[in-house]
Amino acid sequence: DPKIIQKPKYLVAVTGSEKILICEQYLGHNAMYWYRQSAKKPLEFMFSYSYQKLMDNQTASSRFQPQSSKKNHLDLQITALKPDDSATYFCASSQVGYQDTQYFGPGTRLLVL
Amino acid sequence: GDSVTQTEGLVTLTKGLPVMLNCTYQTTYSPFLFWYVQHLNEAPKLLLKSSTDNKRTEHQGFYATLHKSSSSFHLQKSSVQLSDSALYFCALIYGNEKITFGAGTKLTIKP
Repeated sequence: DPKIIQKPKYLVAVTGSEKILICEQYLGHNAMYWYRQSAKKPLEFMFSYSYQKLMDNQTASSRFQPQSSKKNHLDLQITALKPDDSATYFCASSQVGYQDTQYFGPGTRLLVL
Repeated sequence: GDSVTQTEGLVTLTKGLPVMLNCTYQTTYSPFLFWYVQHLNEAPKLLLKSSTDNKRTEHQGFYATLHKSSSSFHLQKSSVQLSDSALYFCALIYGNEKITFGAGTKLTIKP
């Protein structure tokens, strides 16, 4: 059974629209993360949450907003989508923080037209 | 600022040869280094990690030693296999609450 679920697997969006990427982990972890991977930047850290609190935000744009409704959920809302947002978005989790092993979800591949 | 540098973007080797992928870092904090591997169409997975100076850490035939004197954490393997073809990322944790990744090295192994 998958321990980290990301939905949807593929997503096509129109420029200017808004989408929410879903991430749920069933590893009992307390820290969750979002990463982005594209041709321009192989692996880019975006956010980290620990115990449902924002720990680190390395995303310059406020169009990206993480949402943690439950301890094991960390969704990513993206507003005013641009073609440059096209990428694979990975969710990850670890026991408590960065120094623990991070386990990555399968990713959501976003294409913005 | 705090950063990680992976000097090789692409490395192509013949099966059975040794490999070393370079990773150097810059930080004023006590460093914690990771190597992640990502196979084609898969998610990244942890390969190695270390925060102990001059101690070799090994996993799945790969090994690395953190050398604080030279700010390095190079990834090595004595004999690469076709299945080692993947993207390898070096990552630095600094200040306990910050993480940064290198640009990645794509390793391609030929028969």
